[in-house]
Amino acid sequence: DSGVTQTPKHLITATGQRVTLRCSPRSGDLSVYWYQQSLDQGLQFLIQYYNGEERAKGNILERFSAQQFPDLHSELNLSSLELGDSALYFCASSVAPPINEQFFGPGTRLTVL
Amino acid sequence: QKEVEQDPGPLSVPEGAIVSLNCTYSNSAFQYFMWYRQYSRKGPELLMYTYSSGNKEDGRFTAQVDKSSKYISLFIRDSQPSDSATYLCAMNLRGANDMRFGAGTRLTVKP
Repeated sequence: DSGVTQTPKHLITATGQRVTLRCSPRSGDLSVYWYQQSLDQGLQFLIQYYNGEERAKGNILERFSAQQFPDLHSELNLSSLELGDSALYFCASSVAPPINEQFFGPGTRLTVL
Repeated sequence: QKEVEQDPGPLSVPEGAIVSLNCTYSNSAFQYFMWYRQYSRKGPELLMYTYSSGNKEDGRFTAQVDKSSKYISLFIRDSQPSDSATYLCAMNLRGANDMRFGAGTRLTVKP
């Protein structure tokens, strides 16, 4: 158990809908990272927050957004969902950037029908 | 061409074999190199972390980085069925916050 928690574990929704994924980092970690893992694209970095502020952006679509709250938990919002958004979404945390020892949560499996 | 190339396998070996997993990369500025292990339906777990070129050993695992060849390796000695998982290489630039991952190699160790 990495200490990073993610909810929900599974999410099934329809195209065009909006969902919110939640992540709680390890105790003491200030930085949160979001990743998307699909069969054809592998693990792709989406976005990173440090102590409430956005620090880095990767291949994140404009339909996706994230934020980190004062209690350091983070939410990833996915809107206007498409079939191709079906994937595993992982959250990771680290003490502070740029620290390479990231601890991953168990992931949220999103299925868009 | 992808920034990080990793043969997805699958790779199947008998218990006790030495396993060699490899990645190549194109960006010579990468300085931090990691290996993650991911069991089915779980999040990636950090196995090894090395900075720049050289070797690092941790129990049955050895990570090697050859920056001149842009090539990194993970060796697993005396492989066990519990080592069956997908192994992902990852790397990033000094000061960067986003890691680049390989596609992952699926390993099965047969008893």
